[in-house]
Parts: sequence; structure tokens; C-alpha cells
Amino acid sequence: GAVVSQHPSRVICKSGTSVKIECRSLDFQATTMFWYRQFPKQSLMLMATSNEGSKATYEQGVEKDKFLINHASLTLSTLTVTSAHPEDSSFYICSASPLVAVRVYNEQFFGPGTRLTVL
Amino acid sequence: DAKTTQPTSMDCAEGRAANLPCNHSTISGNEYVYWYRQIHSQGPQYIIHGLKNNETNEMASLIITEDRKSSTLILPHATLRDTAVYYCIVRVASNTGKLIFGQGTTLQVKP
Repeated sequence: GAVVSQHPSRVICKSGTSVKIECRSLDFQATTMFWYRQFPKQSLMLMATSNEGSKATYEQGVEKDKFLINHASLTLSTLTVTSAHPEDSSFYICSASPLVAVRVYNEQFFGPGTRLTVL
Repeated sequence: DAKTTQPTSMDCAEGRAANLPCNHSTISGNEYVYWYRQIHSQGPQYIIHGLKNNETNEMASLIITEDRKSSTLILPHATLRDTAVYYCIVRVASNTGKLIFGQGTTLQVKP
């Protein structure tokens, strides 16, 4: 089955530093990747849609300059949390949508998530 | 995309069927019903989807009412590993469509 990986699985950083999270589709090409954020005991919140070779589309209320998204290839998207603060501590999850000729309804595969803690 | 309503939590005895309801009274004709689940501290996992016919796969069955305003996800023989948050999502099927997660139902399977 389709596998999506994330790296790192968890990261602890100091306030003011930047953190990069990678999302890779391991056995398929993904034209579109999505980034979600999840706070404790809450649901997933979509942050942005990342399309290969073009600028990401951010959801309302998500700061573009704070959460930098790059989708440079069909198997890799990165999320950089710039100048991280304690309130950015969260569980970040990516998903990937395959590039397929035939419509596949299970079109999103999720990564295992990255736990970010900002001290 | 249509909004969904699910109970906040449910319990189920191990080995029994778990029936998780979902209301989607504003669903449009071209919108599918998707079910995902999220086990604690993991990424969501696809379970099943359907348009108007009942569907079954190795994980679960999906029963959609004739008017399509509600559906039920059935885990036929729940195990402790099925303890998770279950999300019912209604949206148009596409290769690039985003998923909007509601609060879901926390299913606790008990021994």
C-alpha cells in the first residue's frame, strides 16, 4: 500500500528557532500534499494545500510567512515553522494525494505525524 | 462540503459489533461519505467510502440510508486495537480534494 513518511517524528526546539519537517511519499508520486495541525484533544485542522511546482494554498488564519511550505518534487514536501514559539507546539501531520491515471477514491494517505515542542 | 454530526463518544464490548452513526442531512448528490480513523498519536487511516450503495471491505461496512442523510459505519467484531477517533467526512471525490475533519467519535473498545 501507499506509504507516507515524516521526519523527524518528534522535535524539541528553543523559542525563536526554525524547524523543518519533511513529508515523503515513498512508493508513489504525489501531485498534492496537505499539511494539518492537531492540538491535544482536538481534531485535525487543515493548514495548507501544497502542489508540486507551485505556491501552497493556505487556509484562512494560517500565516504564510510563519509556516513555509515547499513542494519541490513529486515525492517531497517540507513545512518550515519559522521563529517557533511555545504556542506552535503541536502535532503536525501531512497527507499525500497520488498522481494516478484512474480515479482512486482513497486518494489521501497520511504520514505518522511530527510532534513539535517549543520550549 | 456538507457538514456532519457524530456522537462525541461511544463504548463497545470487545468482539461485538461497533455501530458508529453519522448525520449529513445537507449532503449533495455528488458528495461521497468517507470514514477515517485516528489511533492515538498516529496519522489518520482510511477505512471506507461510499456514494449511495452499501459498501463492505476487509475493515468495515458502510450503510447509507436511502435519502443519504445519514450513514453508519459498522466494525463487525471490534477489538481493543479498534479504539480510536472515527471521523465521518462528506465531500466531492476528486484526486486533489482536501479533507475537512470534524470532531469525530471516540470509540472505546472494552474487554
